[in-house]
Amino acid sequence: GQNIDQPTEMTATEGAIVQINCTYQTSGFNGLFWYQQHAGEAPTFLSYNVLDGLEEKGRFSSFLSRSKGYSYLLLKELQMKDSASYLCAVMDSNYQLIWGAGTKLIIKP
Amino acid sequence: GAVVSQHPSWVICKSGTSVKIECRSLDFQATTMFWYRQFPKQSLMLMATSNEGSKATYEQGVEKDKFLINHASLTLSTLTVTSAHPEDSSFYICSARDLRQDYEQYFGPGTRLTVT
Repeated sequence: GQNIDQPTEMTATEGAIVQINCTYQTSGFNGLFWYQQHAGEAPTFLSYNVLDGLEEKGRFSSFLSRSKGYSYLLLKELQMKDSASYLCAVMDSNYQLIWGAGTKLIIKP
Repeated sequence: GAVVSQHPSWVICKSGTSVKIECRSLDFQATTMFWYRQFPKQSLMLMATSNEGSKATYEQGVEKDKFLINHASLTLSTLTVTSAHPEDSSFYICSARDLRQDYEQYFGPGTRLTVT
């Protein structure tokens, strides 16, 4: 079966760095996405990785290792507004998105 | 970036009535639109994939006669919840795939449905 695993909840301090991990097992692979979702709102796109390595975009970076079925989202200089759920999703061989359950990130002052 | 709108953003209806939710891609053509449902504190659940000009593909466990999907043009898809019941109360989100960048999905702002 297809499976995406990520931690349910994480807590971090404002100004710090946090890494959210995602492991996956899917039938085929056409890229991995990270989305941010604030409570009561729709997800917003953060990053897309299809090749191994690190993609940096401002305070957010995303890493992919296809051989390990592993990705992480790195958030630097955390701000209170970063409190949200972070969703990992993998596009399978049929170009369908397989979603993880999301990681709720709580930022404390 | 690409913009997807949904209307209405929230709706309250009585049990037994039907509700229509519209999803529009405002500045791009979307051959494929997706309808998701999300219950509180849970992840997105794909309900159906809607392709322009053809019948929607429903996920297992989703009743196609209850959740009617129409994708009449490259910029509009509608979801009609027929004979709504309180258990249908949820956050409904659509997303659209851009022809020019077919890997990315753009999400609408969501519609919160409450059935009383």
